[in-house]
Amino acid sequence: AQSVAQPEDQVNVAEGNPLTVKCTYSVSGNPYLFWYVQYPNRGLQFLLKYITGDNLVKGSYGFEAEFNKSQTSFHLKKPSALVSDSALYFCAVRGYTGRRALTFGSGTRLQVQP
Amino acid sequence: NAGVTQTPKFQVLKTGQSMTLQCAQDMNHEYMSWYRQDPGMGLRLIHYSVGAGITDQGEVPNGYNVSRSTTEDFPLRLLSAAPSQTSVYFCASTRDRVGEQYFGPGTRLTVT
Repeated sequence: AQSVAQPEDQVNVAEGNPLTVKCTYSVSGNPYLFWYVQYPNRGLQFLLKYITGDNLVKGSYGFEAEFNKSQTSFHLKKPSALVSDSALYFCAVRGYTGRRALTFGSGTRLQVQP
Repeated sequence: NAGVTQTPKFQVLKTGQSMTLQCAQDMNHEYMSWYRQDPGMGLRLIHYSVGAGITDQGEVPNGYNVSRSTTEDFPLRLLSAAPSQTSVYFCASTRDRVGEQYFGPGTRLTVT
């Protein structure tokens, strides 16, 4: 079975500071990992994905994520947070084998204070 | 491309009523999924399909039925609505195992 854990319900950061949103996963075989963002009363938007290759993946809006196989983690990062980054962030995983639908974490609410 | 479309956007049902949430995509994606979003629980997979005529259960399938007669459409049927099915429902599609998933705008369902 595949699963995702996002250990923080909420992350607070001041504008201009770096941010990290944590994600760990469990899957059989190689993982395909994704980050999505949801703004209030909106659908989900794709941010970035890791399939293979370089462990540091760059995505939309200046976000990046680091894949760490030994720690089974895929943390989302941004060097300098903006107030407009405040939203709900979801990590998701799909395995190379097994269920072909994405499994999502419970989400982390990011609050960026001015 | 319209992407993934869902209808209706809002729906109020009485307990015991049935209804179908519609989902369509125009990207010729093989994989389609239905999720429900509840506060603090993220998105939970209800049913998914890997092609026309092929469906499978997700984490929370009870009370819901699906079918996939065409590549484009993936309707979700609530057989007998219950208050526990009050939620926001998202349909999604993806090209393959490595592709990003595209989401519809969601349907907010309230069961009274």
